[in-house]
Amino acid sequence: QQQVKQSPQSLIVQKGGISIINCAYENTAFDYFPWYQQFPGKGPALLIAIRPDVSEKKEGRFTISFNKSAKQFSLHIMDSQPGDSATYFCAASRRTGNQFYFGTGTSLTVIP
Amino acid sequence: SQTIHQWPATLVQPVGSPLSLECTVEGTSNPNLYWYRQAAGRGLQLLFYSVGIGQISSEVPQNLSASRPQDRQFILSSKKLLLSDSGFYLCAWSGDRGPGYGYTFGSGTRLTVV
Repeated sequence: QQQVKQSPQSLIVQKGGISIINCAYENTAFDYFPWYQQFPGKGPALLIAIRPDVSEKKEGRFTISFNKSAKQFSLHIMDSQPGDSATYFCAASRRTGNQFYFGTGTSLTVIP
Repeated sequence: SQTIHQWPATLVQPVGSPLSLECTVEGTSNPNLYWYRQAAGRGLQLLFYSVGIGQISSEVPQNLSASRPQDRQFILSSKKLLLSDSGFYLCAWSGDRGPGYGYTFGSGTRLTVV
């Protein structure tokens, strides 16, 4: 059973546009929701994370929106740049659990 | 600061040959350790995780095994590689308080079985 569902699988955005990636989770015990960014040939790196006590977290051009009642969260990349082209993974976990549950990833391409 | 080392970076092995990939973590003690596999253009598949020396949990049945001989060392092995074992293998660690307190990936090993 897929604990975290991510969409879309791929996304093409013009430079300067807004990129939006969505995730939904099943387990209401999850209390930590990170996003990871992965460039080709590299390991994923933590981009931004949110806990369920807030509905939004912003770091620079990256924002997580969190809807606890709908069990959904999304990543918004404002003013998307070609350097943002990468694969993005959402994840969920219990903060004190043993592992993350990752989404299937979104390949983002930002066209100059 | 904590660092994670994974090697080799790339590996080409014939079908039927053995495999040993090593991952070590520095700057922390009693980490949780993880092995993931990522097929080309695909998501992250958790293979094994370990919460302590000699403690290994397997997530999927497969041709691979894992061992944790030391606190900060995690090894992924196979006795006989299959073509389907090709992929990008990632090691990750988190603090013993849980993944919500930090979860870091290594740089990965690209394994091609020919």
